[in-house]
Amino acid sequence: AQTVTQSQPEMSVQEAETVTLSCTYDTSESDYYLFWYKQPPSRQMILVIRQEAYKQQNATENRFSVNFQKAAKSFSLKISDSQLGDAAMYFCAYRSRGGSNYKLTFGKGTLLTVNP
Amino acid sequence: DVKVTQSSRYLVKRTGEKVFLECVQDMDHENMFWYRQDPGLGLRLIYFSYDVKMKEKGDIPEGYSVSREKKERFSLILESASTNQTSMYLCASSWGFGYTEAFFGQGTRLTVV
Repeated sequence: AQTVTQSQPEMSVQEAETVTLSCTYDTSESDYYLFWYKQPPSRQMILVIRQEAYKQQNATENRFSVNFQKAAKSFSLKISDSQLGDAAMYFCAYRSRGGSNYKLTFGKGTLLTVNP
Repeated sequence: DVKVTQSSRYLVKRTGEKVFLECVQDMDHENMFWYRQDPGLGLRLIYFSYDVKMKEKGDIPEGYSVSREKKERFSLILESASTNQTSMYLCASSWGFGYTEAFFGQGTRLTVV
């Protein structure tokens, strides 16, 4: 079974600064997807960014980028120019690519605080 | 926009009651999921369904059952609610093979007293 580990229960960053959230995972599969989801206080879980394991290029979405290290099974999220609206719980998630297993396996989350 | 709607944001039920949590999606998604979210434990999968009337157990199915009679609706049932089922419940849906993103509802905060 796959596992996802987020080793930082809480992080804080100053507005306009850069912060990196860590995620490692364990799998025996070679093809899969990785995600970062954001859950603000309103509770609606929103997809931030996704990475396909067969793609070597790191995904980027505006101020959000990932550092995907497949051999190390590491998938960190970098938030640049942090904004107050980035304050939320962030979850790293894994999904198999093949077969009919569509479930997402989540880490325990990292609570990000943005200080003005 | 994709919409996943959970019938209640807050529920308070008594121990032993039968509880129904409803989830509806409007995008004709094949897959639907129920997760439970607890502080320090992240999201844990209870059940998921990949088609009407089809279901599979997730990681923590004990004490729960599900029903999917129509494609757009996925119900989570607590047969006899217990205090250790007090939690946040999140419903999600996604398209089938070839698609990746799951869309989530607003969540239901269930308190069992």
